[in-house]
Amino acid sequence: GEDVEQSLFLSVREGDSSVINCTYTDSSSTYLYWYKQEPGAGLQLLTYIFSNMDMKQDQRLTVLLNKKDKHLSLRIADTQTGDSAIYFCAESIGDDKIIFGKGTRLHILP
Amino acid sequence: GAGVSQTPSNKVTEKGKYVELRCDPISGHTALYWYRQSLGQGPEFLIYFQGTGAADDSGLPNDRFFAVRPEGSVSTLKIQRTERGDSAMYLCASSRGGTGTGELFFGEGSRLTVL
Repeated sequence: GEDVEQSLFLSVREGDSSVINCTYTDSSSTYLYWYKQEPGAGLQLLTYIFSNMDMKQDQRLTVLLNKKDKHLSLRIADTQTGDSAIYFCAESIGDDKIIFGKGTRLHILP
Repeated sequence: GAGVSQTPSNKVTEKGKYVELRCDPISGHTALYWYRQSLGQGPEFLIYFQGTGAADDSGLPNDRFFAVRPEGSVSTLKIQRTERGDSAMYLCASSRGGTGTGELFFGEGSRLTVL
C-alpha cells in the first residue's frame, strides 16, 4: 500500500547539519516533497525533487533521492534556531494524490 | 483570495451532531484536497477533487464523511453523526493541478472537537 515512513524526532546542535530521512513505497512517484510546519502554522512546501534527479541543492538545503532504495533525505546545513519545526516527507501517487509521512520534529540545542 | 481560506477555524460540537467545514481555495486552482491531522501525526489523506469531481475519495474513513465541490471552487466537508474520534484538525489544500510540480497550498485548518 501507500506509505511514507520517517523517524519522529531529531535533536541537533545549532550550527551543525541536520539530516532527516524518509522511505516511501510508490516507485512510480513523479515528485517527492519536503514540507515544513512551524508551531501554530500551516504546512508550507520547503523543497521538492523530480524523480529523475538524484540530488537537488537550494541554499542550505540538500535533497538526496535514492530511487532504488526508495529513500529520500533532507540535509539542512548550519542549522539555526529558526529551523525548529516539524518536517514532513511526501510523495505523489498517480496524477495528483499526495501522501505524507508522520513528520520529524527537529529540535535545536543551543 | 490570496490564500486558502477555511471556516470555521474552530468548531466544538456534541457527539451525534452534523458538521460542515468549508474550504475556499486559491483562485484558479483546479485541484483541492482534504486531509485530517491528529496531534503528533502527519496529514492523513481523505479526498481530492479535480474540478467538480472527486478524483480519489479512498481516504474517507466511512460513509459518515462526504465532500462536495459543486462549482469547482469552494468545497464543503460534511460529517454526519459525529463521534469523539472525529476530533482533529481538518486541513484543506489546493494546487494548480495538471502537469505542475503538485505543490500544495494549505489553509490554516478547521479544528473540530467532538464532546
